[in-house]
Amino acid sequence: EVLMTQSPATLSVSPGERATLSCRASQSVSINLAWYQQKPGQAPRLLIFGASTRATGIPARFSGDGSETEFTLTISSLQSEDFAVYYCQQYNNWFTFGPGTKVDIK
Amino acid sequence: EVQLVESGGGLIQPGGSLRLSCAASGFTVRSNYMTWLRQAPGKGLEWVSIIYSGGNTYYADSVKGRFTISRDSSKNTLYLQMNSLRAEDTAVYYCTKGGNWFDSWGQGTLVTVSS
Repeated sequence: EVLMTQSPATLSVSPGERATLSCRASQSVSINLAWYQQKPGQAPRLLIFGASTRATGIPARFSGDGSETEFTLTISSLQSEDFAVYYCQQYNNWFTFGPGTKVDIK
Repeated sequence: EVQLVESGGGLIQPGGSLRLSCAASGFTVRSNYMTWLRQAPGKGLEWVSIIYSGGNTYYADSVKGRFTISRDSSKNTLYLQMNSLRAEDTAVYYCTKGGNWFDSWGQGTLVTVSS
C-alpha cells in the first residue's frame, strides 16, 4: 500500500498571502497525484490531477507541482473561499489519500 | 451537467445489511469508471470499491467479501451492497465518477453502524 503523508496538519494564512502545502508518498507514484478541496459539510472537489493539471473551472491561483514522492499544492493569493481542508491522493497503485491539511484564517 | 445523488444510508445494527444507490445524470454510468469512497466522521477519505466500464470490480481489503458494487444500465444507477456491517464501516459514503482521479462527487449518504 502506498502511504501518503501531508504537512503541515494546519496552516494559518492571512487572506492574500501565499500558501504552500506538501504531500509525500511512501514510494514513487510518478505524476499520478491529485489534489482535492473539502469544505465543512460538502463533498471534496477535484482541483488538480496529473500532479499539475488544473481541473475544469479551477482558478489559476491553484497550482500543483512535483513527481515521484514529493508534491506541492500552491495557492498564490488566498481568497476567503479557499479556507478548507486539502487532500492529496495517489492513483498509481490503487487509491490512497493523505490525512489532509487544514488551511485556516490567521 | 453531471449529477450524482446517493441514497440508502441510515442507522443499522452490527451484522446488518444496507444497499446504497447512486443515481447518475448527465453521463452514462456503464461507459465510465465509477467508484465508492467513504469518510468516517472527522476523518480522511478511504477508497472502497471501483467498477470499470468493462465490468471488472475491485475492493479495498477492509470490505472485500462483504461489499458488492454493481450497476443498472437501465436506471443509470450505481449500487453498493453492504453486508456484515461493522462499527468501523460508519462513514459518509460518496459515489464518484472516475477511476484515477475523481472529478464528480455526490453529496454523500451517512451510514451509521451501531447497536
